Amino acid sequence: AQSVAQPEDQVNVAEGNPLTVKCTYSVSGNPYLFWYVQYPNRGLQFLLKYITGDNLVKGSYGFEAEFNKSQTSFHLKKPSALVSDSALYFCAVRAVFSGGYNKLIFGAGTRLAVHP
Amino acid sequence: EAQVTQNPRYLITVTGKKLTVTCSQNMNHEYMSWYRQDPGLGLRQIYYSMNVEVTDKGDVPEGYKVSRKEKRNFPLILESPSPNQTSLYFCASSPSQGTQYFGPGTRLLVL
Repeated sequence: AQSVAQPEDQVNVAEGNPLTVKCTYSVSGNPYLFWYVQYPNRGLQFLLKYITGDNLVKGSYGFEAEFNKSQTSFHLKKPSALVSDSALYFCAVRAVFSGGYNKLIFGAGTRLAVHP
Repeated sequence: EAQVTQNPRYLITVTGKKLTVTCSQNMNHEYMSWYRQDPGLGLRQIYYSMNVEVTDKGDVPEGYKVSRKEKRNFPLILESPSPNQTSLYFCASSPSQGTQYFGPGTRLLVL
């Protein structure tokens, strides 16, 4: 079955420290992987994606993610966390089905709390 | 500005009273989708549409209907809402193989 797992419900980080939000996936074929962020009372905003190429993907707001095929992981990282990064983060993988239909399968989300 | 809009943003209703949540995108995207977000479950797809007049069920379609008469609009219809449909709903659109862009969400409470 195609799925995404975010093993941590919440991640707590001190401002200025590096942060990692974990994501592992299971999908048939080559994975298309995404990270989205949701700020309070807002919709989901696209952060970054991996389709092919360099395993380190850079995205918005200083975030990056590392694709690791052998570990089927796509962890989100940032070298120095800001209080304003506090939000709910979703990892997603695109599953492709016959007839061209594709959909995003989301993880349950990880709440990031950055403390001053 | 390229965007996905949803209305209303907040809605309180009672069991059995039909309601419609509208979704509109101005990016000429072929693909549109509805999700519901519930704590601990992430986002689950309700219905999707690959183009005008082409719609199909997602993972949790029970109790919902959709239509796609025009490319830009994809309304979600709850014919007879029930309390278990209390949730946060998101509409999304994308080019057929591209990144999905989400609306701001509609928070629904069914009493």
